[in-house]
Amino acid sequence: DAKTTQPPSMDCAEGRAANLPCNHSTISGNEYVYWYRQIHSQGPQYIIHGLKNNETNEMASLIITEDRKSSTLILPHATLRDTAVYYCIVRLNAGGTSYGKLTFGQGTILTVHP
Amino acid sequence: GAVVSQHPSWVICKSGTSVKIECRSLDFQATTMFWYRQFPKQSLMLMATSNEGSKATYEQGVEKDKFLINHASLTLSTLTVTSAHPEDSSFYICSAKTSGSNTGELFFGEGSRLTVL
Repeated sequence: DAKTTQPPSMDCAEGRAANLPCNHSTISGNEYVYWYRQIHSQGPQYIIHGLKNNETNEMASLIITEDRKSSTLILPHATLRDTAVYYCIVRLNAGGTSYGKLTFGQGTILTVHP
Repeated sequence: GAVVSQHPSWVICKSGTSVKIECRSLDFQATTMFWYRQFPKQSLMLMATSNEGSKATYEQGVEKDKFLINHASLTLSTLTVTSAHPEDSSFYICSAKTSGSNTGELFFGEGSRLTVL
């Protein structure tokens, strides 16, 4: 799986958009970008994933650059409950023995403050 | 989304005893489950891949005789920490892959915190 680079920490004011960047310059053509988050003392929670196109769901939006070497996770209206460690992971999707083996980096600690 | 449940959520045991942690997929069948370990202020580290009906595949550096994994059914995988020692104290998390899923989502349990005295 391609390696990702994320800032160690970020702050965001409640109600504002939180934009979390991720660099994955060695991503290959069939690898997806996944985002998970982990609230303190809980298991990781799936947020969103994408391949080339921008994606949006009820939790967040994922913006992937045209060259796919970086992406940004956007939480449009951050709340205090969004305070967590956010992990950007690049990996193959379905199929293969490695499917499901997520390699977690250090992630970004997002702190949402009042 | 699919639900993965772990039990117990926390356990305290004496050094030298064995502890079993269960991981259940509540509303789907999971042919494959994964066990992770997370030490304080560190990221998750994959320990092993658990396949229903076959032996688990362990990551390099993980002792298979110490961390026994059993995946006897499509909804249950267990991790047994044998002869636990204080250095085994950690947050153990499982995840599950749905059978035949191509969505790419993996569902994680709530985690089980083990403290060995």
